[in-house]
Amino acid sequence: SQTIHQWPATLVQPVGSPLSLECTVEGTSNPNLYWYRQAAGRGLQLLFYSVGIGQISSEVPQNLSASRPQDRQFILSSKKLLLSDSGFYLCAWSGGHRGTDTQYFGPGTRLTVL
Amino acid sequence: GEDVEQSLFLSVREGDSSVINCTYTDSSSTYLYWYKQEPGAGLQLLTYIFSNMDMKQDQRLTVLLNKKDKHLSLRIADTQTGDSAIYFCVPKAGGYQKVTFGIGTKLQVIP
Repeated sequence: SQTIHQWPATLVQPVGSPLSLECTVEGTSNPNLYWYRQAAGRGLQLLFYSVGIGQISSEVPQNLSASRPQDRQFILSSKKLLLSDSGFYLCAWSGGHRGTDTQYFGPGTRLTVL
Repeated sequence: GEDVEQSLFLSVREGDSSVINCTYTDSSSTYLYWYKQEPGAGLQLLTYIFSNMDMKQDQRLTVLLNKKDKHLSLRIADTQTGDSAIYFCVPKAGGYQKVTFGIGTKLQVIP
């Protein structure tokens, strides 16, 4: 079966500090990977998606970046965090060997920037 | 892109039925998903329906689709306190996997 992991679960960082959130998928190969942000009282905003290693598409301009160094690893980064980066970050995967469009989500990372 | 409208809040008593409604704009939607998000957790795929179906039942869950009116509903029978969560209606066209998530409907179950 497929599982998706995210860490850390919670993070409190000062403004201006760097960020690295990690997401890994097990049990499938060549998945499509996604990073979403959910701000308080708002829907999910798609930040990045990737259809393969080294292939990253950005949906919104921001001070965040994403990388996919391995087939089942997706990393969200920032060099300098802003207060507005606070939120709940969700990683998701779809496709892979199932070949379906359904997205499956990880447990999320709660980021608070102070 | 897809626009989705859902009520923000719904409050029901334990044991009653809950009905969460959703309207969408993209008539080419092929899959229509319902996701559940419990507090502080990721999104859990609850159920989905193909656009060529009118109804799908899965234990306590019933999904109704009115494709002509672009209206989707999720009925939860015998609602339990564990059903308290935010529910997202997610229509999606075939092909590329980008989808739009709205704010969702927050269901509160009163014991």
